[in-house]
Order: sequence, then structure tokens, then C-alpha cells
Amino acid sequence: DIQVTQSPSSLSASVGDRVTITCRTSQNIGLYLNWYQQKSGKAPKLLISVTSTLQSGVPSRFSGSGSGTNFTLTISSLQPDDFATYYCQQTYTISTFGRGTKVDIK
Amino acid sequence: EVQLVESGGGLVQPGGSLRLSCVASGFTFSSYWMHWVRQAPGKELEWVSRISSDGSSIRYADSVKGRFTISRDNAKNTLDLQMNSLRAEDTAVYYCARDKGIVVVLDSWGQGTLVTVSS
Repeated sequence: DIQVTQSPSSLSASVGDRVTITCRTSQNIGLYLNWYQQKSGKAPKLLISVTSTLQSGVPSRFSGSGSGTNFTLTISSLQPDDFATYYCQQTYTISTFGRGTKVDIK
Repeated sequence: EVQLVESGGGLVQPGGSLRLSCVASGFTFSSYWMHWVRQAPGKELEWVSRISSDGSSIRYADSVKGRFTISRDNAKNTLDLQMNSLRAEDTAVYYCARDKGIVVVLDSWGQGTLVTVSS
């Protein structure tokens, strides 16, 4: 099974900060990595698919990069609506999610 | 508008059974692969199962293999998850999700239904 290690598990940031979240996989998955945002009590929302494809309606301050075993989600300028938990998901073999990164207010 | 509405959750004793349903609307259900994903209270997302658009290809997570059965009725636009031999560790919110296709991309999710396994 492919293991997914997401870091950090939590971070505190201020509005306007640049935020970076990392996912590492236990084997090469090419570009088969998605990112989701989940707010408390709500279903996850797809942000980015296949490493870097921004979903329709998702603000351009979100971006994804990487390949192989190392991937990054970047929020260029954190906004109040962005405080949430973020999950990566490898889909090279079916699906495995990372353990999430909670972004809260500093 | 794509809508996925889960139902069937509730409180069940260990060893018991429960059947979850997900009703889809706003898209051509029969064209999409579908998934179940769960989330234990305060925990991360866990992929559970997926079914192909015509129901011919099915996969399960090791944690539920042999106990859960995924199925679909394309005529009724419904996705089901039959859960048997339930354990405390199956306690979670269960989400159905639509797969965008080609590669696994879960682009629409239901609101979830809570399953609690407890005596």
C-alpha cells in the first residue's frame, strides 16, 4: 500500500501569509495527487486535481506542484475563508488520504 | 446542480448491519464511477470503496473487505453500501462522492451520514 505523509499536521497563520503544505508518498505516484479543503462539519471540497489543475471556482491563490513522491499545496495570500483542514489524496493505486493539515488563525 | 444525498446512518450494536444509500441528481449518474469515503470523529478521511459506472468493477479498502458491499442502481440513481459485522472502529460519517473519471478525482460529495457502532 502507498503511504501518504502530510505535514505539518497543523499550522497557525495570519491573513495575508503564504502557506505551504507538503505531502510525501512512499512510492512514485507520478502526478496522481489531489488536494481537498474541509471546513468543520462539512464535506470535503476538491481544490486541485492531478497535482496542479485548479478546479473551477477555486481562487487562484491556491496552487499545487510536485511530482513523483513530493507534492506541495501553496496558498499565496491566506484569506479568512481559507481557515480549514486540507487533505491530500494519492490516486495512483485506488486512494489514500493524508492525515490532514489544520490551518487556523494565529 | 449536482446533488448527492446520503441516508441510512444511525446507531447500531457491534456485530450488527446497516445499509446506507446515496441518491444522486443533477447529472447522468450512470456515466460516473462512485465512491464511499468515511471519517471517524476528529480523524482523517478514509477511502472505503468504489464502483464503476456499470457496476462491473468494485474495490474495497482492506479494513472493510468481506464485511461491506457496494452496489448501485442506475435506473434509480442510487448508490448503496451494505455494512455487516459492524465494529466500533466503523463509527464515522460516511460520504458518497462522484469520481470525475479517467483518474480518481472526487469532485462532488454528499453531506454525509453518521454511523455509530456502540452497545
